[in-house]
Amino acid sequence: ETGVTQSPTHLIKTRGQQVTLRCSSQSGHNTVSWYQQALGQGPQFIFQYYREEENGRGNFPPRFSGLQFPNYSSELNVNALELDDSALYLCASSWTRRAPGIQYFGAGTRLSVL
Amino acid sequence: SQQGEEDPQALSIQEGENATMNCSYKTSINNLQWYRQNSGRGLVHLILIRSNEREKHSGRLRVTLDTSKKSSSLLITASRAADTASYFCATAALLLSGGSNYKLTFGKGTLLTVNP
Repeated sequence: ETGVTQSPTHLIKTRGQQVTLRCSSQSGHNTVSWYQQALGQGPQFIFQYYREEENGRGNFPPRFSGLQFPNYSSELNVNALELDDSALYLCASSWTRRAPGIQYFGAGTRLSVL
Repeated sequence: SQQGEEDPQALSIQEGENATMNCSYKTSINNLQWYRQNSGRGLVHLILIRSNEREKHSGRLRVTLDTSKKSSSLLITASRAADTASYFCATAALLLSGGSNYKLTFGKGTLLTVNP
């Protein structure tokens, strides 16, 4: 158990819709990162939030956006869903001053876009 | 884009045997980590090796790092059926110069099957 929880576990949407995925970080962790994992691939970095601000972004379009809240929970929003957005979405929390770079992952949300 | 490439893509061994997985990467790193993933679920951190270290041990795990070759290996000794999972190497690099937050870049992983 990593102490990171994600909801929902599974989600089915149709192309063009919008989706919000949620993550509750491990207690005391001030940084959250989101990853997209396509079937048979490794996770790809979407973005990271630190103290409620975006701290870095991978090669994903602006229709992928996020929020981090004062209680360190966070959201990933995806607008105008495309078929290729079907993937496992993972959130990971970390504490910057300890064990640099180690991230604690949730079990993920599996998104299917039809 | 993927940073690392794991080799082999799939490995099948008998319980009690050792399993070795390799990882190559392309850019400079702060540290390299190995993670394990069971059946498309969340990843679990296994071990971290810093860029100035050459070898690290943790229980049945041994990691080596060769920064001149930009490669790492993970050895699992005396494997068990419960070790069956996908294993990923991830390179960690600072997101901002002078900052303390890191971005992980993962390879495609090695699927390890340990047969009882």
